[in-house]
Amino acid sequence: AQSVTQLGSHVSVSEGALVLLRCNYSSSVPPYLFWYVQYPNQGLQLLLKYTSAATLVKGINGFEAEFKKSETSFHLTKPSAHMRDAAEYFCAVSEGNNDMRFGAGTRLTVKP
Amino acid sequence: EPEVTQTPSHQVTQMGQEVILRCVPISNHLYFYWYRQILGQKVEFLVSFYNNEISEKSEIFDDQFSVERPDGSNFTLKIRSTKLEDSAMYFCASMDYNQETQYFGPGTRLLVL
Repeated sequence: AQSVTQLGSHVSVSEGALVLLRCNYSSSVPPYLFWYVQYPNQGLQLLLKYTSAATLVKGINGFEAEFKKSETSFHLTKPSAHMRDAAEYFCAVSEGNNDMRFGAGTRLTVKP
Repeated sequence: EPEVTQTPSHQVTQMGQEVILRCVPISNHLYFYWYRQILGQKVEFLVSFYNNEISEKSEIFDDQFSVERPDGSNFTLKIRSTKLEDSAMYFCASMDYNQETQYFGPGTRLLVL
């Protein structure tokens, strides 16, 4: 079954600094990969997804992620952090119409 | 833009009571899901539903749980006899025919006392 590992349960950056949230996956078939963001007391919002097209995927709010098959990774980046980016970020993997498996989440803190 | 909606947003119940959580998926979607998130933990898959039947379920989805699509729009999760450990945020999601992206509702926060 597919699975996801997110390295680092907490990441803290300064405003304007690079954001890098790590995600590694395991899947028996070519996966679909997703990043979701969860703001406090809210639901899950799709940031971006990889579904076997371009390996560099651009999402909302200036985030992007690169699918690297050789490294089984799908790390999320943003060149310059903003205070409003503070949230919980979840990487997820799916094998099509099956269930989606989520990572444990990474809480991003942005310091002024 | 179409959205998945869920009601109620919050529910408090006594242990042993039955609860029904309701979801209205995006109208042309074909695949439906329930997930839960215990406070401070990761999102966990409960069940997927397609063509009016369960297509997959996790070990969490025991006999206390059931799902139904009673009409063309609603998708419900019933917990027959709630336990304290059922306290969590429950998310509904739906996906269209291309089987790419699941869209999540805002969740129902269930508190079992």
